[in-house]
Amino acid sequence: EAGVVQSPRYKIIEKKQPVAFWCNPISGHNTLYWYLQNLGQGPELLIRYENEEAVDDSQLPKDRFSAERLKGVDSTLKIQPAELGDSAVYLCASSPGAGKKAGELFFGEGSRLTVL
Amino acid sequence: QQQVKQSPQSLIVQKGGISIINCAYENTAFDYFPWYQQFPGKGPALLIAIRPDVSEKKEGRFTISFNKSAKQFSLHIMDSQPGDSATYFCAAVRSGSARQLTFGSGTQLTVLP
Repeated sequence: EAGVVQSPRYKIIEKKQPVAFWCNPISGHNTLYWYLQNLGQGPELLIRYENEEAVDDSQLPKDRFSAERLKGVDSTLKIQPAELGDSAVYLCASSPGAGKKAGELFFGEGSRLTVL
Repeated sequence: QQQVKQSPQSLIVQKGGISIINCAYENTAFDYFPWYQQFPGKGPALLIAIRPDVSEKKEGRFTISFNKSAKQFSLHIMDSQPGDSATYFCAAVRSGSARQLTFGSGTQLTVLP
């Protein structure tokens, strides 16, 4: 079974430029998450999708960040314009949905963003 | 607000030794406590998890000890191996409609050969 696939793995851009990250979750997983991970810290939730619906986006900086999950499968996270402080790893994760294993997330390898 | 506090920040253990990582939580509504293991350049991967209705769970060399009254839980790695060198995150979640994992700040474990 294929895992969560993210691209690009690495991205270097200059500040004020736009950037987009793509995520393909595990087949059949209804819940998709975007997390931000700064160096030496734990992941922090940006947005959570249940199928196509963004059910928790309270931590997403909506002035510059946007996300979408068309058809309830793949998802894209966009930053426009990027700032120096956005340099981090952007992790995508998916989970099968409701149930006892609510905390069992499957993470991709992440997209490392460097803003110069 | 840091709802899950993790310590130590870094840990160095000799091969064959016991690694112990501690976490404390504040929200009594949490009812599922997973531990994730992350290697450099990889995403976190679920290692082991526990529910508060048991005080201990063991899977191979990995054991979670849970103290509900103290709102603390810990990960014990027995017979630590160099391949265990990674960053470990504790987490907590309230299952049900919320399902938002709260992660600790991580512990970087180094097991010396």
